[in-house]
Order: sequence, then structure tokens, then C-alpha cells
Amino acid sequence: EPEVTQTPSHQVTQMGQEVILRCVPISNHLYFYWYRQILGQKVEFLVSFYNNEISEKSEIFDDQFSVERPDGSNFTLKIRSTKLEDSAMYFCASYHGTQLFFGSGTQLSVL
Amino acid sequence: KQEVTQIPAALSVPEGENLVLNCSFTDSAIYNLQWFRQDPGKGLTSLLLIQSSQREQTSGRLNASLDKSSGRSTLYIAASQPGDSATYLCAVNRNRDDKIIFGKGTRLHILP
Repeated sequence: EPEVTQTPSHQVTQMGQEVILRCVPISNHLYFYWYRQILGQKVEFLVSFYNNEISEKSEIFDDQFSVERPDGSNFTLKIRSTKLEDSAMYFCASYHGTQLFFGSGTQLSVL
Repeated sequence: KQEVTQIPAALSVPEGENLVLNCSFTDSAIYNLQWFRQDPGKGLTSLLLIQSSQREQTSGRLNASLDKSSGRSTLYIAASQPGDSATYLCAVNRNRDDKIIFGKGTRLHILP
């Protein structure tokens, strides 16, 4: 069965450093998303991406965040200058037609 | 603004029992509703998806129902097993490719 792949599974970084979280969506999918889940809290929407541009973003997705689909297969989330409160599990998802498929997530720890 | 609430927040039941998890949403204008399973520290596995025009979906021991007009869904698990222990999340969206809004989940523990 096709799956959404995320790397790395765990990322530890120092506050103020840049991180890039990587995702390989399912190959024929057209819509891509990033969500995050802070420990003990709800899964929250960050951004959706379609046709090589952002289609919607939440208030969490400020100018410290950016997304890119650099080569037609990867979909990345960049955090320019990480803060302690960015520590969370980040999920990538892709969609085509019927249902949303999620990756297994990247656990980001900001120290 | 859509809000999704799940009750109870946590539930412990003995193995073999049937159980019901509840989900409610404030805006009935949904496109579909999904139930997900999340194991500790892991990703999200889709269990069942109900289109807004449907009343229920079944997969094995799982049955999800949807009452769109009242803003409610239930997930019924028959003959529970210890392997069913996980957090179950309910999520809705407004349009086909729109973002989905999650509830906080019900943490289920099946006692052997």
C-alpha cells in the first residue's frame, strides 16, 4: 500500500537554529499538508499546499515557517529560527480524491 | 469556527466488552468525517471515513455512524482486545480537499 514517508523520525535542535522536515507524499497525490501535535494537545493544521503554492495557512504558520516542493517528489517544512514552543510532532499528509493519508511524523525537540 | 469534541477523554474497559466513543462537532456543514487511531508517539492511521451523505461505515469490528444534522458521530468497537488500546481521534472537513479539524481524542485502554 502506498504511504507518506517522513524523515527524520526524530530531530533535536538548539533554539534559534533552522530545521527542515522532509516528506515524500504519495506519488499521484496533488494536495499536501503539514499538521503538528504538541504533547497532550490536539493535532493542529499548519498549512495546505496545492499546485506549487500555499492554499491555506493557519495563524500558527507565521513568517518563521515556509514550505517547498523543490523537486516534484519531496515536500518540506522549514522553521527558520526554532523556539522552545515549536517542540512537537509534525505530520505531513497528502490527499487525492477520497481520503487523507498521514506520515508517521517527525518528533522535533527544541532545547 | 468548527470545534470537535470527544467524550470521554479516557476510557478503560475489560477485554471482550463492546464500547462506544463519541464525537461532536459544532458546524454541521461537513464534507466528511474520519476516525483515526494513534498509538503513543506514532502517526495517524485512518480507520473509517464517512461521507456527509452516508450514515455509517463498517470495517471489521469497527462501526462508525454519522448524524450530520445533530453534529454527532460514534465509533463502536465490538469485542474489544488489548491491541485496541490507543488514542482514537475524530476529524471533520468542510470541503473535499480542505484541512481537517481534529478532536482531542479518546485514550482507550483495554484491560487483559
